[in-house]
Amino acid sequence: AQKVTQAQTEISVVEKEDVTLDCVYETRDTTYYLFWYKQPPSGELVFLIRRNSFDEQNEISGRYSWNFQKSTSSFNFTITASQVVDSAVYFCALSEARGGADGLTFGKGTHLIIQP
Amino acid sequence: DAGVIQSPRHEVTEMGQEVTLRCKPISGHDYLFWYRQTMMRGLELLIYFNNNVPIDDSGMPEDRFSAKMPNASFSTLKIQPSEPRDSAVYFCASSLGSSPNTDTQYFGPGTRLTVL
Repeated sequence: AQKVTQAQTEISVVEKEDVTLDCVYETRDTTYYLFWYKQPPSGELVFLIRRNSFDEQNEISGRYSWNFQKSTSSFNFTITASQVVDSAVYFCALSEARGGADGLTFGKGTHLIIQP
Repeated sequence: DAGVIQSPRHEVTEMGQEVTLRCKPISGHDYLFWYRQTMMRGLELLIYFNNNVPIDDSGMPEDRFSAKMPNASFSTLKIQPSEPRDSAVYFCASSLGSSPNTDTQYFGPGTRLTVL
């Protein structure tokens, strides 16, 4: 069965600090997809990134970067020079390509607090 | 382009009442998902549709919950009768593609349901 673990329940940093959110996943499938979503205080779920299991290249998008390592089953998310607007709950999610469709399996989320 | 639209955004009702949540997916998306988010259980998939047909409803908690998709642009999630433990945020999501597991799911703003 697929599983996503976000061990950090809450992280608090001061603005402009770099912060990394950890995500560890479990799957028996060789083809799978990993996602990050952001849930700001307003409550909506905002899609950030999708990666497939065959693409281990790190990705950078502005101040956001993602480090995908199959060897450690991790898909970590780093925010560089954090800003107050980055305050939100961030969810890592996994879906397997094969077998029954379970939709997305979400981690419990990491509540990120950026203090001014 | 409009994203996923959900209504109402907030619903407060009394135990025993019928509640109907509504969703309009992104035009052209073949898959529609209903999720529930609670503090205790996080985000859980309730049911999903492919081309208006329910494919997997194994996540629906009990017979009090039902979902329909009468056409490609509209879906409902109904709870009858409602109970206080149904209080949660209900999200609708849609995705484009040939598999429910591979494409990015885009979420609506959610409906915050409170059952008194």
